[in-house]
Amino acid sequence: GAGVSQTPSNKVTEKGKYVELRCDPISGHTALYWYRQSLGQGPEFLIYFQGTGAADDSGLPNDRFFAVRPEGSVSTLKIQRTERGDSAVYLCASSLSRLASTDTQYFGPGTRLTVL
Amino acid sequence: SQQGEEDPQALSIQEGENATMNCSYKTSINNLQWYRQNSGRGLVHLILIRSNEREKHSGRLRVTLDTSKKSSSLLITASRAADTASYFCATHSNSGYALNFGKGTSLLVTP
Repeated sequence: GAGVSQTPSNKVTEKGKYVELRCDPISGHTALYWYRQSLGQGPEFLIYFQGTGAADDSGLPNDRFFAVRPEGSVSTLKIQRTERGDSAVYLCASSLSRLASTDTQYFGPGTRLTVL
Repeated sequence: SQQGEEDPQALSIQEGENATMNCSYKTSINNLQWYRQNSGRGLVHLILIRSNEREKHSGRLRVTLDTSKKSSSLLITASRAADTASYFCATHSNSGYALNFGKGTSLLVTP
């Protein structure tokens, strides 16, 4: 596809359930990022992948959050035992090269997660 | 934690007027970027200015950067109703790859 895609666009779940959010980056982009955006706030960094490996997961709020990128393309953000405070828009972005500090990050449309 | 702070939080203008948004940040940066977001969903990259640049233009957008004051401004000239959106500044630290965003400025352009 032409841009970053994310599925589902909306996810409603109950407290305590497990959810998976998927991100399909721009073809050929080696860097992939996950951000979380709460209402009225700017996006906050969660995790960064360079290829298949998580180069920086310092933004993950706790061990209920985990992300993978097994083949260096599609990534899945996994949230266990969801809590109401996890409700937010989860954004994925990708960028072209290893020079991540200078590259433009291209964002997907986001997944709006609502935990009831 | 948020790195930048945009000012004002909300701005309402009429079509044809210019809109100016400001951003302040806290730490040394490699570059500063401005993004636009419609309806709380995906962000669209507008412009990137590097730490050794002072001003940059792209169409109706003009961005300035003052590293001594740790501040940047985004000017949208001759605004249109379609410019209505939230605008965020984001910084890359010298050692980081993650973008640090501010809380954004909500711009409303009325016909």
